[in-house]
Amino acid sequence: GAVVSQHPSWVICKSGTSVKIECRSLDFQATTMFWYRQFPKQSLMLMATSNEGSKATYEQGVEKDKFLINHASLTLSTLTVTSAHPEDSSFYICSAGAGPLTYNEQFFGPGTRLTVL
Amino acid sequence: QKEVEQNSGPLSVPEGAIASLNCTYSDRGSQSFFWYRQYSGKSPELIMSIYSNGDKEDGRFTAQLNKASQYVSLLIRDSQPSDSATYLCALYSGAGSYQLTFGKGTKLSVIP
Repeated sequence: GAVVSQHPSWVICKSGTSVKIECRSLDFQATTMFWYRQFPKQSLMLMATSNEGSKATYEQGVEKDKFLINHASLTLSTLTVTSAHPEDSSFYICSAGAGPLTYNEQFFGPGTRLTVL
Repeated sequence: QKEVEQNSGPLSVPEGAIASLNCTYSDRGSQSFFWYRQYSGKSPELIMSIYSNGDKEDGRFTAQLNKASQYVSLLIRDSQPSDSATYLCALYSGAGSYQLTFGKGTKLSVIP
């Protein structure tokens, strides 16, 4: 149980284009999903918390107009990187909470590796 | 500032031995503790969650939590080469952001 999928697993795009990444909870409903970014040899950094049916909560320093998050259903959240630039190249990973939010137990998707040329 | 300290390793153990991974943390208010396994180039995989003092066992894995000493550990019995990965200790303080505070990870190598 507690399986989270992401699509695509990798994407290469030109600078200035937008990229959408999907995150799905396959065998449970996730009221809350989380988006992380990880640069090589660095820790995961939370970008935003996505709540079904409401606006996402962004961490300090994350541009909400650049990283658009939509959580339209209990099993799907999307992250759109708008006008991507080479510095946005990173490993983007979503996670979903399967139990009480009090414990904040998060299951991670397989990640999406974004390369912006 | 919340801190999670782990020995970066690498920790090398022979196949079949017990691997012991340790983690200390600074935030006494932390209420949830997790061990994730991360293979190179992959996303973290949740191995164990522990919320109260004592031991919690799941197969070859045992998590130990001591809130008084602000210490959490992971024991891997009968270590296998497939256990070779970076193990991340993470905690949740229960307040404010849902950010999990991660340690930098301990790289484990199980030698056949």
